[in-house]
Amino acid sequence: DAGVTQSPTHLIKTRGQQVTLRCSPISGHKSVSWYQQVLGQGPQFIFQYYEKEERGRGNFPDRFSARQFPNYSSELNVNALLLGDSALYLCASSPDMGEYGYTFGSGTRLTVV
Amino acid sequence: GQNIDQPTEMTATEGAIVQINCTYQTSGFNGLFWYQQHAGEAPTFLSYNVLDGLEEKGRFSSFLSRSKGYSYLLLKELQMKDSASYLCAVRAFSGGYNKLIFGAGTRLAVHP
Repeated sequence: DAGVTQSPTHLIKTRGQQVTLRCSPISGHKSVSWYQQVLGQGPQFIFQYYEKEERGRGNFPDRFSARQFPNYSSELNVNALLLGDSALYLCASSPDMGEYGYTFGSGTRLTVV
Repeated sequence: GQNIDQPTEMTATEGAIVQINCTYQTSGFNGLFWYQQHAGEAPTFLSYNVLDGLEEKGRFSSFLSRSKGYSYLLLKELQMKDSASYLCAVRAFSGGYNKLIFGAGTRLAVHP
């Protein structure tokens, strides 16, 4: 069984650009959550999607947006990139809204220059 | 507010036992997770506690006291491959959904 897959693995962008990160959850899982992990810190919650609807949003600016598709895959979009957006972006897959735990993907390392 | 504290770094000797502590102050507590994370990789699940007491899983054990807002992860028979960051995460339920609130992680270095 495939785990949680994220693409791309690494990405370098310039300040002011826009980026789209992708996540495919474990087959049968209906929930995807996004986390941002800045170097040396723990992951911070950005969004949770369940059954294609946004169910929760963390304390991030409106430059961050996401969506979930009918096949339960998800995209995270970040507009007007800032240097501070440089981080590891993690996708977590869950069969429900988190009651049975989470499986993380390997992440996308975003560097903004 | 939501706050989770754990030591920044720890060192230990191969074959020894190490205990990593975590204290938390969160609302909507709905369980506590421990994850292992090697540099640049995904966090991998180690253990989960929702009720008070000890959960044992091979070389790893985790303890929870909800009244004290305290948990620890116990690693026995340390191996070099256990060198990693260990993340304490509280699952908090609020606004109709669960989210994980992470501590900053404890970097464990195991030396021969």
